[in-house]
Amino acid sequence: DAGVIQSPRHEVTEMGQEVTLRCKPISGHDYLFWYRQTMMRGLELLIYFNNNVPIDDSGMPEDRFSAKMPNASFSTLKIQPSEPRDSAVYFCASSLKGVEQYFGPGTRLTVT
Amino acid sequence: DAKTTQPTSMDCAEGRAANLPCNHSTISGNEYVYWYRQIHSQGPQYIIHGLKNNETNEMASLIITEDRKSSTLILPHATLRDTAVYYCIVRVTGYSTLTFGKGTMLLVSP
Repeated sequence: DAGVIQSPRHEVTEMGQEVTLRCKPISGHDYLFWYRQTMMRGLELLIYFNNNVPIDDSGMPEDRFSAKMPNASFSTLKIQPSEPRDSAVYFCASSLKGVEQYFGPGTRLTVT
Repeated sequence: DAKTTQPTSMDCAEGRAANLPCNHSTISGNEYVYWYRQIHSQGPQYIIHGLKNNETNEMASLIITEDRKSSTLILPHATLRDTAVYYCIVRVTGYSTLTFGKGTMLLVSP
């Protein structure tokens, strides 16, 4: 298995632009998680899905952030409009029955 | 979830055993101890987890004290590639999410 796949690996954008991060979980996994990591705040859970349904989005910082999971093999995290404080590494992870989580390589987002 | 306390950093010589401690004195009976690590510029990686018995896999061993208030992750023969931040996480059985603290930065030196 290729593991969790994220794209792009790096994204540089200007403030105010829309940013879309993509994630393909491990086949057969029923949970998908989006995390954000910064030096100041560490690794934070943003939202997670179970069987494509959002379960807890309490970690989503504000309405500028949205996440979707249209099917079991694809999820997106969108930021519109982006701000410099959104600069971080965004990780996607998946798991089977919510036990061990397998993380992707992350997307490093820089908003200028 | 119970709070965990880990040292900020540790050093280990290559080839020696690395013993990473974690205190979780408020752990409840239905909470597991999980260990993850994050190598620089990579996503976190699952290592091992346990409830009350000692556990071993191809990566590491987990020793949990009888009162379950602390645990130790053991890397039996540390290599330079084991240099990473190691996170100890306590999680309720069946609860899906992980809460990451600051972890322990392990530096393995030649």
